Amino acid sequence: AQSVTQPDIHITVSEGASLELRCNYSYGATPYLFWYVQSPGQGLQLLLKYFSGDTLVQGIKGFEAEFKRSQSSFNLRKPSVHWSDAAEYFCAVGGGGNKLTFGTGTQLKVEL
Amino acid sequence: GAVVSQHPSRVICKSGTSVKIECRSLDFQATTMFWYRQFPKKSLMLMATSNEGSKATYEQGVEKDKFLINHASLTLSTLTVTSAHPEDSSFYICSASPSAADTQYFGPGTRLTVL
Repeated sequence: AQSVTQPDIHITVSEGASLELRCNYSYGATPYLFWYVQSPGQGLQLLLKYFSGDTLVQGIKGFEAEFKRSQSSFNLRKPSVHWSDAAEYFCAVGGGGNKLTFGTGTQLKVEL
Repeated sequence: GAVVSQHPSRVICKSGTSVKIECRSLDFQATTMFWYRQFPKKSLMLMATSNEGSKATYEQGVEKDKFLINHASLTLSTLTVTSAHPEDSSFYICSASPSAADTQYFGPGTRLTVL
């Protein structure tokens, strides 16, 4: 069965600092991997996705993620965080029939 | 592009009544739509997968007679919570995908409160 682990429930960073959100997955084949962001009371917005090819994926809002097969990881990074990045971030892995399994999320707080 | 809407955004109903939530893909045709439930400060739980013109596939533990899903067209899926009870109160989110192997695009969610 596929699964996703986001080890960090909460992360606090200062505005302008770099950010890395961790994601580890378990999947039997080559996974489809996603990062979504959710603001309070809102749906999910796709930040980026990995299907195949270049393992470093660029997304919207200055985010990037790197697929590392050997570590079963797909960590999300941003070089300089803005206050508006404060939100809940979900990593997800997809498989057959496009069913997504989500991690439990990481709540990002940005200190001004 | 790839916009998904949900209606209503919030609904409050009395226990025992039924509530219908609509999910629409506004600028693409969605072969597949998904319904999720999200509890406070929790992750999303997939409830069911629906393909246009066929019966929905429910995840284990989800009561198909309670959560009726209809995917009558390539741009519309509905979730009806029948005989709602307070424990059904939750945030329901739909997503739509142009094909079975494509990205899911999410709606803004519907907050259901059952009194």
